[in-house]
Amino acid sequence: AQSVAQPEDQVNVAEGNPLTVKCTYSVSGNPYLFWYVQYPNRGLQFLLKYITGDNLVKGSYGFEAEFNKSQTSFHLKKPSALVSDSALYFCAVRRTLDMRFGAGTRLTVKP
Amino acid sequence: DTAVSQTPKYLVTQMGNDKSIKCEQNLGHDTMYWYKQDSKKFLKIMFSYNNKELIINETVPNRFSPKSPDKAHLNLHINSLELGDSAVYFCASRDIFYEQYFGPGTRLTVT
Repeated sequence: AQSVAQPEDQVNVAEGNPLTVKCTYSVSGNPYLFWYVQYPNRGLQFLLKYITGDNLVKGSYGFEAEFNKSQTSFHLKKPSALVSDSALYFCAVRRTLDMRFGAGTRLTVKP
Repeated sequence: DTAVSQTPKYLVTQMGNDKSIKCEQNLGHDTMYWYKQDSKKFLKIMFSYNNKELIINETVPNRFSPKSPDKAHLNLHINSLELGDSAVYFCASRDIFYEQYFGPGTRLTVT
């Protein structure tokens, strides 16, 4: 079954430092992988996706993610974190009829 | 020009009541979803419709009944509300590239 796992409930970083939010996947075949962000009291917003091609995917707000087939990972990264990046981040994988989301990782960026 | 809208944004009601949440998307997408996000922020799919036809019906109590009068609308009716139904309910639609667009959510509180 297609699934993703986010091993960290919480990630804390200082403003200006690089950030990484981890995601691993378990799929049969070629994965379609996504990252979404949820700000407080808002719906989820699309950040980026990997379908095929370049393993480094660039998305909104300066985020990028690296698809690593050998490690079955799709970690979200940003070179320099902002306080405004503080939010809940969800990794997701496309399934036949829907999308399966990870449990979410709360990112807190401290000034 | 909101892409996916939901009404109401907040809903406070007593146990045993019946309530509805409405969702509309103006993106021209064929596929729409209802998700439930619990207090731990876990996102669980409930239903999916494709062009007014039900295609996903996860293990949801039959007190929950979705209705899609046309492909731009997907409403959720809940009978005999229970305390455990308290959550945030999100509507979403999906484009042909499998990106999902979420509404702002409806926070349901059952007292």
